[in-house]
Amino acid sequence: QSVLTQPPSVSAAPGQKVTISCSGSNSNIGNNYVSWYQLLPGTAPKLLIYDNNKRPSGIPDRFSASKSGTSATLDITGLQTGDEADYYCAAWDSSLSATSATVVFGGGTNLTVL
Amino acid sequence: QVQLVQSGAEVKKPGASVKVSCKASGYTFTNYYIHWVRQAPGQGLDWMGIINPSGGRTSYAQKLQGRVTMTRDTSTSTVYMELSSLISEDTAVYYCARDLDGRYLDYWGQGTLVTVSS
Repeated sequence: QSVLTQPPSVSAAPGQKVTISCSGSNSNIGNNYVSWYQLLPGTAPKLLIYDNNKRPSGIPDRFSASKSGTSATLDITGLQTGDEADYYCAAWDSSLSATSATVVFGGGTNLTVL
Repeated sequence: QVQLVQSGAEVKKPGASVKVSCKASGYTFTNYYIHWVRQAPGQGLDWMGIINPSGGRTSYAQKLQGRVTMTRDTSTSTVYMELSSLISEDTAVYYCARDLDGRYLDYWGQGTLVTVSS
């Protein structure tokens, strides 16, 4: 059971838009930055979004994200078959102790481009 | 360019220990934290802990306390993660990842498969 809640799977046709949600609490998303990671099959995780809505250099603007309260969303527009991957949200969590924070991940969302 | 290069795959018996290395290059080693994250087969990402290469301070996931040890060697810009008393559920791909200031993990190692099997 992951601390951050994501839908297990989403799907859409090429060229369409998909939204992946990530729900948490005040101890994590509510008071910390959210980041998003893409795991292509057989590869290491790749940073997609940091500081809630910023894209690292090289990440196309088809990928965007936002945060509101204790939830975050990742939007992918103009879907391509190469976007088929698992997507994870993450945030620091201070529920155990203010001095012993941990990083928590969502359970991951598998994107299928039909 | 920034690189985190991890050691190769390991096969261990239950009860044994494993030590995975993560060698950093392309940046100032002591300026970035290193996290360890694992992914068991068919499962999601699971945070294991963090080490500050500058002073060696660590923080571990509660469920791994007592079994995991993270260390660093600043002379070789290498971080190590040792997991003891291995059980089958520790079978996973283990990743190291870099973090500047506790906001996100921007570069990841290629992963190390650890298989625990009798």
